[in-house]
Amino acid sequence: GESVGLHLPTLSVQEGDNSIINCAYSNSASDYFIWYKQESGKGPQFIIDIRSNMDKRQGQRVTVLLNKTVKHLSLQIAATQPGDSAVYFCAEGQGGGADGLTFGKGTHLIIQP
Amino acid sequence: DAGVTQSPTHLIKTRGQQVTLRCSPISGHKSVSWYQQVLGQGPQFIFQYYEKEERGRGNFPDRFSARQFPNYSSELNVNALLLGDSALYLCASSLGGGPNTGELFFGEGSRLTVL
Repeated sequence: GESVGLHLPTLSVQEGDNSIINCAYSNSASDYFIWYKQESGKGPQFIIDIRSNMDKRQGQRVTVLLNKTVKHLSLQIAATQPGDSAVYFCAEGQGGGADGLTFGKGTHLIIQP
Repeated sequence: DAGVTQSPTHLIKTRGQQVTLRCSPISGHKSVSWYQQVLGQGPQFIFQYYEKEERGRGNFPDRFSARQFPNYSSELNVNALLLGDSALYLCASSLGGGPNTGELFFGEGSRLTVL
């Protein structure tokens, strides 16, 4: 069936650089997208979300971009810090909310000192 | 304020046994969802309950069942355990459902190992 996927399983960046994590989705009915961060031994933590009527949303040090034409989602993290090391998941939902989310496989972000 | 709490944190069962996992949502949250996360993969949706009624169900066999109590806490039951049921079971709570779901808050999960 349709699912959300990520392009790269591991991303290594230098501390202080910007990170870009990508996600491809295939369910055209999805209208709500979320990025989660999961640290080892913990549950996923909400980072930022975006609805399909927007193409960009900014938070603190994070920006999510949504390109509905090519069904692509990205998470940009500015000035990456050691505490950003984690697995990042994109997730998609329908009905404008977070009911029954479909998660991608995740990208492991590694911060090099 | 306490976040989403789950119990037990870890448990070991053998094939064929049954397991019950418990979840207490954040105070004021009326929606509880369950997800299964196999090692190295993203969480997979199992159930959502809102106001004590099942709102959604993922692609899981009937061995999986859940319920939500009047205080909005929830239990996930898995019968006739298989080796493949070994996973981290995550509970998440939110204020409401549909467009009013708001942010989904996850607990730290119950790690189930089936031998």
